[in-house]
Amino acid sequence: GAVVSQHPSRVICKSGTSVKIECRSLDFQATTMFWYRQFPKKSLMLMATSNEGSKATYEQGVEKDKFLINHASLTLSTLTVTSAHPEDSSFYICSARAYGEQFFGPGTRLTVL
Amino acid sequence: TQLLEQSPQFLSIQEGENLTVYCNSSSVFSSLQWYRQEPGEGPVLLVTVVTGGEVKKLKRLTFQFGDARKDSSLHITAAQTGDTGLYLCAGVGYSTLTFGKGTMLLVSP
Repeated sequence: GAVVSQHPSRVICKSGTSVKIECRSLDFQATTMFWYRQFPKKSLMLMATSNEGSKATYEQGVEKDKFLINHASLTLSTLTVTSAHPEDSSFYICSARAYGEQFFGPGTRLTVL
Repeated sequence: TQLLEQSPQFLSIQEGENLTVYCNSSSVFSSLQWYRQEPGEGPVLLVTVVTGGEVKKLKRLTFQFGDARKDSSLHITAAQTGDTGLYLCAGVGYSTLTFGKGTMLLVSP
């Protein structure tokens, strides 16, 4: 199967700082990647769809200026949480579509102090 | 808005017991998927069901897709501690997945 990686796996930052999370498709090219957010013991909520070479499509209620998405190449999408606050603490998961199915990254645990 | 409801939300059982998890939708999906997620990791696809009435088996796991393609069930026979995890159903749309709220399964020895 296809492999999706995320970096970092875990990050702790101070309130007010920005954090960048990378999502890479390791052995395939992905024109579309997806960013999800997951609260403890809850399901995945789609935040946005990242499109290579164009603007991301955000779900209703997700602030595009707060969660900046850049999909600069066919193997890399980044999510930047700007001016992070404690309520942004969560598990962020990316996925990419390949061979007719979605493959998920291992997730990034963000803790904002 | 398409919604997927899963039940139960939490299930705690002893090793060797059987269990069933349900996924119900208010809409029809072209297909439905089941994922398993362990703490601190991303979801891993278990199965995709496409045809109404379809039954798929994966070792001790049996997946059913309702005739109307609006509901599905996951049955685990003789649960093992390694089955512990969050089970998510997801409806497959044109370009995205719609996830249910998940069922947290805890299997104790």
